[in-house]
Amino acid sequence: GAVVSQHPSRVICKSGTSVKIECRSLDFQATTMFWYRQFPKQSLMLMATSNEGSKATYEQGVEKDKFLINHASLTLSTLTVTSAHPEDSSFYICSALQLWREADTQYFGPGTRLTVL
Amino acid sequence: GNSVTQMEGPVTLSEEAFLTINCTYTATGYPSLFWYVQYPGEGLQLLLKATKADDKGSNKGFEATYRKETTSFHLEKGSVQVSDSAVYFCALRSYNQGGKLIFGQGTELSVKP
Repeated sequence: GAVVSQHPSRVICKSGTSVKIECRSLDFQATTMFWYRQFPKQSLMLMATSNEGSKATYEQGVEKDKFLINHASLTLSTLTVTSAHPEDSSFYICSALQLWREADTQYFGPGTRLTVL
Repeated sequence: GNSVTQMEGPVTLSEEAFLTINCTYTATGYPSLFWYVQYPGEGLQLLLKATKADDKGSNKGFEATYRKETTSFHLEKGSVQVSDSAVYFCALRSYNQGGKLIFGQGTELSVKP
């Protein structure tokens, strides 16, 4: 099956610092990756769509200068939360679309729990 | 716009009970429909999917049928286990929205022994 990993799984940081989260497709190539945010007991909120080699497309209300997304290769996308504040604490989940096969199915990473003190 | 509505949880069942989680959608055209499951502290796992009307997706004893006439994709399982306790998300993918997934609000299932 298609496997997506995220690193780190948990991170605690001080307010004002930046945090980078990696999302990797381990056994397939993904031209498109998505970044979601999930609050406790709520559904997933799409933050942005990331296409390899081009700028990410952000959803309305998501600050692109605060949530920097880079999709440098067909297997790696990164989300950097810049100058993090306590309100950025959340569960961040990425997903990837397979290239060529099952192009309509997103496979999700295990998520990253960010806590900003 | 496109949307997905799920029955509210939490749903609490005894082991071996029959499960139904209702899901209805609003979309133009012919979306693909999905059920994802999220275990505590984890990301989402694809449970099953259907890409056209009357298709039945099935996996691990769960099944759902794409009903275009009722715009529904209800999730069912004949006999639930404690290990099925999780949050279940219904979602659609519509090609006129760049492939984005639209999620329902999620339904928490708790199965008691």
